[in-house]
Amino acid sequence: QKEVEQDPGPLSVPEGAIVSLNCTYSNSAFQYFMWYRQYSRKGPELLMYTYSSGNKEDGRFTAQVDKSSKYISLFIRDSQPSDSATYLCAMIRNTGGFKTIFGAGTRLFVKA
Amino acid sequence: DTEVTQTPKHLVMGMTNKKSLKCEQHMGHRAMYWYKQKAKKPPELMFVYSYEKLSINESVPSRFSPECPNSSLLNLHLHALQPEDSALYLCASSSSQTGQGRYQETQYFGPGTRLLVL
Repeated sequence: QKEVEQDPGPLSVPEGAIVSLNCTYSNSAFQYFMWYRQYSRKGPELLMYTYSSGNKEDGRFTAQVDKSSKYISLFIRDSQPSDSATYLCAMIRNTGGFKTIFGAGTRLFVKA
Repeated sequence: DTEVTQTPKHLVMGMTNKKSLKCEQHMGHRAMYWYKQKAKKPPELMFVYSYEKLSINESVPSRFSPECPNSSLLNLHLHALQPEDSALYLCASSSSQTGQGRYQETQYFGPGTRLLVL
C-alpha cells in the first residue's frame, strides 16, 4: 500500500464549478500537508500548506485536513480554464529526518 | 526574493558525457533537495542537504552525484547516464520555522532542468 493515495483522474469540469480534489494517507506520522499545482512542462508550485486538522482558505482555494480519517482535500471555487493543471498532494513526516511524500497527482481540465 | 533558480533549462547529453545541473536560492534556506520527475508522475526525492549534511535516497544510482558548495548553491553532477534517466530534474529548498509552539516547513521548487540522454 502506498503511503499517499491520490486518484490520477483526469477530472473534467465546466467553468465555474466547484472542484474537489482528495488524498488519503496511511502513516499517522505525517504532520504537514501541501497542495501543489503543476502546469505542463513546469515545476510544481506550492498552493496551500496546512499543519493541523481543519480548514485553511486562500482566495478561491480551501484546503481541508482530517487527521482522524487520514484524508485531505483541496476545493477550488469558481473554477477557471486557467486552473487546468495537475494537482499534487504532498505530506511531510519528521521522524528521524524529514521526508516529503507526493501523491500521484490529479489532472484537472476546466472547460470554458 | 522567493525564487529558486536552476540552470540550464534544457540539457541534451550523450551517455559518455559529464555534465552538471545547478541550483541557487537566496532565501536563507538551510535545506535543499534534488527531485527527479518523469512525465505524468509525481516528483521522486533523490537527495537532501540539510545544514550541508547529505541524506541519500538509496535507490539513486551512483552516476548521480550531488554537491553543496555552500548553503545557497546545489549542484548535481551527471556521468555515464542512461536514456532512462531522461526526465525533469527539480531543485527545491525549504525553510523551517518554529512559532506558537508549532514547527512549520515551506518548500519552494525551481522551474527544473529538462534532461534528455541520447
